[in-house]
Amino acid sequence: EAGVAQSPRYKIIEKRQSVAFWCNPISGHATLYWYQQILGQGPKLLIQFQNNGVVDDSQLPKDRFSAERLKGVDSTLKIQPAKLEDSAVYLCASRQPGQGPSSYEQYFGPGTRLTVT
Amino acid sequence: AQRVTQPEKLLSVFKGAPVELKCNYSYSGSPELFWYVQYSRQRLQLLLRHISRESIKGFTADLNKGETSFHLKKPFAQEEDSAMYYCALRSGSGGYQKVTFGIGTKLQVIP
Repeated sequence: EAGVAQSPRYKIIEKRQSVAFWCNPISGHATLYWYQQILGQGPKLLIQFQNNGVVDDSQLPKDRFSAERLKGVDSTLKIQPAKLEDSAVYLCASRQPGQGPSSYEQYFGPGTRLTVT
Repeated sequence: AQRVTQPEKLLSVFKGAPVELKCNYSYSGSPELFWYVQYSRQRLQLLLRHISRESIKGFTADLNKGETSFHLKKPFAQEEDSAMYYCALRSGSGGYQKVTFGIGTKLQVIP
């Protein structure tokens, strides 16, 4: 099966500019996650979708970050305006629905490396 | 609140030596613990989880609820084990499952 796709792979922007990232999860995966991974740290959950609904966005800086998954398939994450501290790798992951053994694993995309100058 | 602590950012061992990557957690409920691995230029991927009690690539990890630990072990390190290792804790059920990652430990196996 095809894996989680993300684009772009790299992005360099100046502070106060806007940027958007795209994620296409594995087909049939109802749950989609966006993580922020700052250099030297582990992935930090920004937002979790179940189909097209938001399950958890408690750690999303809503004054500048937004995300949507309108049709319950692919998703976009936007930052507007960007700050220097937003420099990080943004990871998308997806998971099968349910609670059985096949649903415990998150499958990660390659990530988008964002540099804000 | 749940927390995962990996005390070592870097662990260097010689090929053939035993490996132990430490992970401690803090969680009030019944935790599910995982180890994820990221090899150079590859995606983050699941290595193993505590419920399955399996050995993957020679690695094992036992959940110790008394010590709130989930250390990853391998008796003989191989060069191909060099990678970033992340311990993770999952809470919740059904559609809502939150995963908290540690900061990761870089394992460097010296030939």
